[in-house]
Amino acid sequence: DAGVTQSPTHLIKTRGQQVTLRCSPKSGHDTVSWYQQALGQGPQFIFQYYEEEERQRGNFPDRFSGHQFPNYSSELNVNALLLGDSALYLCASSLPGQLLSYGYTFGSGTRLTVV
Amino acid sequence: GESVGLHLPTLSVQEGDNSIINCAYSNSASDYFIWYKQESGKGPQFIIDIRSNMDKRQGQRVTVLLNKTVKHLSLQIAATQPGDSAVYFCAENIQGGKLIFGQGTELSVKP
Repeated sequence: DAGVTQSPTHLIKTRGQQVTLRCSPKSGHDTVSWYQQALGQGPQFIFQYYEEEERQRGNFPDRFSGHQFPNYSSELNVNALLLGDSALYLCASSLPGQLLSYGYTFGSGTRLTVV
Repeated sequence: GESVGLHLPTLSVQEGDNSIINCAYSNSASDYFIWYKQESGKGPQFIIDIRSNMDKRQGQRVTVLLNKTVKHLSLQIAATQPGDSAVYFCAENIQGGKLIFGQGTELSVKP
């Protein structure tokens, strides 16, 4: 059973560019959450998608946007990249209403470097 | 953001000893807490969780203690092994899947 799959694993972009990161949830999961993890810090919640809509959002600017597709996969888009956007971007999938515990599964992340 | 600081606190223990990792959380309304382990190059991995109506929960070699009075969580790892070396994060559930993570503690196990 495949877990959460994220692509690409590593990415280098230039300041001002746009980037799209992709996530395929664990089989059977329909809710996707995105987190940003800067070096040496804990993950920070960006937003959560369920039924193709953004349900919750953290304290991130509008440059960060997302999308969820009918097959539950998701994309994270970041426009006008800043050096400070360099981080590990994590995707987590789950089932709504399910206690987080074992049901909230993280992928290995996409390492984004902005130069 | 909610996480601050560039340098993770580090805990160094001898193989076979018990480890205790502490965490302070921020929101009195949090109803659910989770400990995660993160190894280099990987995403966070679930270890153990606890609801706010409990003060202790035990798993295999791990125990989580919750003190709501002082908003403090601890993770105890018994008979620590080299494979336990990783960064450990506590997280609090604010709203149905919106997790707020602590800064993290790096555990180093010496053989």
